[in-house]
Amino acid sequence: DAGITQSPRHKVTETGTPVTLRCHQTENHRYMYWYRQDPGHGLRLIHYSYGVKDTDKGEVSDGYSVSRSKTEDFLLTLESATSSQTSVYFCAITDQGYGYTFGSGTRLTVV
Amino acid sequence: SQQGEEDPQALSIQEGENATMNCSYKTSINNLQWYRQNSGRGLVHLILIRSNEREKHSGRLRVTLDTSKKSSSLLITASRAADTASYFCATDGSNYKLTFGKGTLLTVNP
Repeated sequence: DAGITQSPRHKVTETGTPVTLRCHQTENHRYMYWYRQDPGHGLRLIHYSYGVKDTDKGEVSDGYSVSRSKTEDFLLTLESATSSQTSVYFCAITDQGYGYTFGSGTRLTVV
Repeated sequence: SQQGEEDPQALSIQEGENATMNCSYKTSINNLQWYRQNSGRGLVHLILIRSNEREKHSGRLRVTLDTSKKSSSLLITASRAADTASYFCATDGSNYKLTFGKGTLLTVNP
């Protein structure tokens, strides 16, 4: 979607390796989010940020860490990838909660 | 845990018919939002209804909210094949954190 990009779009990695996903926005929105989407579970919140260097955990944060050193970038790191982290990861942004804009997603496969 | 739960899980209709999807949630909310997701794509925001609103319209979309029953409905009128997608409700309870349901898969047959 316009104003938000995720990279990479697809990634295959091995169990036990660290992986970093990037979300970049050009909207100067304060709030950024990482969700994962799995069949039968819908979207679940991993971590979110409410400002530079201000982050908090979501519903399924174990095994994930995030960083936000500048407004436009929100990084999601899988510290040691496991097969249970195979999923589609979505980044989202909002300014004041009046509708969220989602990225196109990153399909991650852990083998 | 999911805050919102959509019903039905899947819905198949003919082009031109109306489609109604329901969402129930558990705790108090600031607003409730509906999103559409086409296969393999990101989610697209459709409409937001605040907790003090009862009904809202946007084009062919009509959303209702009943806070006493903790439920919402999304009506799509005169459906088109291009409306085929998954539809999610999401609740915003605090701190601008959206909690999503598992979605309704709508198929509109030409």
